[in-house]
Amino acid sequence: GENVGLHLPTLSVQEGDNSIINCAYSNSASDYFIWYKQESGKGPQFIIDIRSNMDKRQGQRVTVLLNKTVKHLSLQIAATQPGDSAVYFCAEKAAGNKLTFGGGTRVLVKP
Amino acid sequence: KAGVTQTPRYLIKTRGQQVTLSCSPISGHRSVSWYQQTPGQGLQFLFEYFSETQRNKGNFPGRFSGRQFSNSRSEMNVSTLELGDSALYLCASSPAGVYEQYFGPGTRLTVT
Repeated sequence: GENVGLHLPTLSVQEGDNSIINCAYSNSASDYFIWYKQESGKGPQFIIDIRSNMDKRQGQRVTVLLNKTVKHLSLQIAATQPGDSAVYFCAEKAAGNKLTFGGGTRVLVKP
Repeated sequence: KAGVTQTPRYLIKTRGQQVTLSCSPISGHRSVSWYQQTPGQGLQFLFEYFSETQRNKGNFPGRFSGRQFSNSRSEMNVSTLELGDSALYLCASSPAGVYEQYFGPGTRLTVT
């Protein structure tokens, strides 16, 4: 896949446990944040987004938390499943429609 | 709705050649963005087009260019290919007024 060779932080999690993926963003002017999931050989897939006027947003089995004070974003996945194994990217948007992506975190789900 | 499609999916070129990649956005989406993904640099923004106009541009040399047609389809062109241009090129589309971007599967370009 595209991320082979890239030294990505890796989170190993037992199937059924909760996962927490962290992301530090750089631009205090960013007003919109997205989490993407990328499986091998595929393009990034939208998971959940959050605007800067919120600090928490929940989706199906996922929760995004935003701490603007320390410029930190996290993605929580409840009851992690084998299909959750992928690389997860956070992205921030400041001016315009340009997304700036973080380096990614690889999640490995152990059966 | 059909997703974002990109053609070709795989491409092998030699140094010095030029290449054109194509992207068809989701029907109704008017914004198309291009990204380069490499193991060393991760995902980097190339440019964004909206209504046939380039609206944002990343920090890539002028060898990288793009355009958008009236039907919102977009192409990107890389001239005078270098080995370092080997990457997965991703296209993403979004509706007007929405920031959420939907990605295609990418075109894997290998420069030899």
